[in-house]
Amino acid sequence: AQSVTQLDSQVPVFEEAPVELRCNYSSSVSVYLFWYVQYPNQGLQLLLKYLSGSTLVKGINGFEAEFNKSQTSFHLRKPSVHISDTAEYFCAVSDHQAGTALIFGKGTTLSVSS
Amino acid sequence: GAVVSQHPSWVICKSGTSVKIECRSLDFQATTMFWYRQFPKQSLMLMATSNEGSKATYEQGVEKDKFLINHASLTLSTLTVTSAHPEDSSFYICSARSARSVDTEAFFGQGTRLTVV
Repeated sequence: AQSVTQLDSQVPVFEEAPVELRCNYSSSVSVYLFWYVQYPNQGLQLLLKYLSGSTLVKGINGFEAEFNKSQTSFHLRKPSVHISDTAEYFCAVSDHQAGTALIFGKGTTLSVSS
Repeated sequence: GAVVSQHPSWVICKSGTSVKIECRSLDFQATTMFWYRQFPKQSLMLMATSNEGSKATYEQGVEKDKFLINHASLTLSTLTVTSAHPEDSSFYICSARSARSVDTEAFFGQGTRLTVV
């Protein structure tokens, strides 16, 4: 079984500052890793995913994440945030079996202020 | 990317009634769909895995008689909350994932806000 730990429940940051949202996972098998964003009362939108290959993954809206197998981490970063990045961010993991559910972390609320 | 449509987006019902939520994959065949429940300010908790043409697999602690799941076709899964009570009020989200091994992304519906009064 897999599990995900998002270390920060809330991250307040000023506009144009860099941000890192932390995610650690636990699994006995190889995994795929994902970051999703959720705006109020909406579903989830995929920001980026790690499947294999390069450990630095670039996603939409200027976000990127780095897979670190030795530290079992997949932290999300953005060099300069905007007010519009204020949302809930979820890290998720799944094994390599086709058609299995994603397991989510508890989420991190990113609040960007001016 | 692929689209998953969930309907209704919000519903208010009286305690004791049943509510059906539909989840459709619009442009791909979803052999497997997933139902999640999300409480305010919390994460998505997997409720059940729905496989086309067979019984759903429920997570521990989820009442299968209360949350009826039907996956009658490769593009439609439904969740029926039976005899709803106020504690069933929540945000329900469905997800679909292609059965093809190369398609690893899960696509999510826009969610259904259920309020039981």
